[in-house]
Amino acid sequence: ETGVTQTPRHLVMGMTNKKSLKCEQHLGHNAMYWYKQSAKKPLELMFVYNFKEQTENNSVPSRFSPECPNSSHLFLHLHTLQPEDSALYLCASSQEGLAGDNEQFFGPGTRLTVL
Amino acid sequence: GQQLNQSPQSMFIQEGEDVSMNCTSSSIFNTWLWYKQEPGEGPVLLIALYKAGELTSNGRLTAQFGITRKDSFLNISASIPSDVGIYFCAGPQETSGSRLTFGEGTQLTVNP
Repeated sequence: ETGVTQTPRHLVMGMTNKKSLKCEQHLGHNAMYWYKQSAKKPLELMFVYNFKEQTENNSVPSRFSPECPNSSHLFLHLHTLQPEDSALYLCASSQEGLAGDNEQFFGPGTRLTVL
Repeated sequence: GQQLNQSPQSMFIQEGEDVSMNCTSSSIFNTWLWYKQEPGEGPVLLIALYKAGELTSNGRLTAQFGITRKDSFLNISASIPSDVGIYFCAGPQETSGSRLTFGEGTQLTVNP
């Protein structure tokens, strides 16, 4: 247990569906991240939230829409996805502004399949 | 942008053997992180290194922060089947310290 939970763990959706991924961290951190992990590729940073404010959007298509209602919760809303969006979506958190703030703690991920 | 090159890409070893993998970059890093990812799970932080030359252990794992600040090594001694997984190195990006750059990973297989 890393203190970061994600739901659902697995999701299959059609290209016209709308779904949401949820992440919750129980570590008291102030920064949260969404990553995409595709086979044979390094982790790709998608979004960064710091104190609930989005501080980075790494050129992510608008069919991915993040939401961070508070420092403990992070959502990724999905709509009209493409099959190439199938991947493992990982959430992470860290405590920015302190020594060791590079250390990010990951959730177990949501395995997304787009048909 | 910054890139991290990990080698080897994959390793197949017998239980009990020692393992060594490394991570190199053309840029200087001030922090090196090593993660392990098991099938169906997210990466788990194993070791964090913050000083050039630093050598840190976590059980059978030992990692070193290279003197040049452009490389790091991870060693696993007396491997066991549960060491199977993908090992990633990571370091903070120059432009934004808390944003991490990840290597492509070393896939480790341990045969009993």
